[in-house]
Amino acid sequence: GAVVSQHPSWVICKSGTSVKIECRSLDFQATTMFWYRQFPKQSLMLMATSNEGSKATYEQGVEKDKFLINHASLTLSTLTVTSAHPEDSSFYICSARALIQGGGYTFGSGTRLTVV
Amino acid sequence: AQSVTQLGSHVSVSEGALVLLRCNYSSSVPPYLFWYVQYPNQGLQLLLKYTTGATLVKGINGFEAEFKKSETSFHLTKPSAHMSDAAEYFCAVSPSSGNTGKLIFGQGTTLQVKP
Repeated sequence: GAVVSQHPSWVICKSGTSVKIECRSLDFQATTMFWYRQFPKQSLMLMATSNEGSKATYEQGVEKDKFLINHASLTLSTLTVTSAHPEDSSFYICSARALIQGGGYTFGSGTRLTVV
Repeated sequence: AQSVTQLGSHVSVSEGALVLLRCNYSSSVPPYLFWYVQYPNQGLQLLLKYTTGATLVKGINGFEAEFKKSETSFHLTKPSAHMSDAAEYFCAVSPSSGNTGKLIFGQGTTLQVKP
């Protein structure tokens, strides 16, 4: 079945530094990738939608200059949290949608980011 | 705009009892509907989905859900709960047409299974 690999699974960084999270579709081509943020005991909040080769579409209230998304190929999207602050600490999850029409959504295993 | 409401943020059942997790959606046209399960510090695993066709959908681990257009509902059920079913469950919708394909999630329901 479709597999999405997300790395790293957890990361601790200092305030002010940047962190990059990778999301790869291993056995299928992803038309679209989605990035979500999840706070403890809460639902997933969609941050942005990225299509290969074009700029990401950010949801209202999400700072595009802080959360940089790059979707360079049909199998790789990256989320870079720039100048991270403790309030950016969260669980980030990516999802990839298959190229075929009506393709399902496959989720990565998530990245636990802690900013100290 | 589409939205999803999961009634009950926390559901507790005894092992072997019926599991019923409620989900209602709001959409101008019937959307695609999904149920996902999430274990602690992990991503989401698809339990089942409804796109078209038969309104009773069977998924993995003995779960099933029925799409009821008249009630705008997509409740998740399992006849007999197992301890391993304890997790967070999310109902989600996406548009059945167009290219955005955004998944919109409900608030989630924590399922507790008591021995």
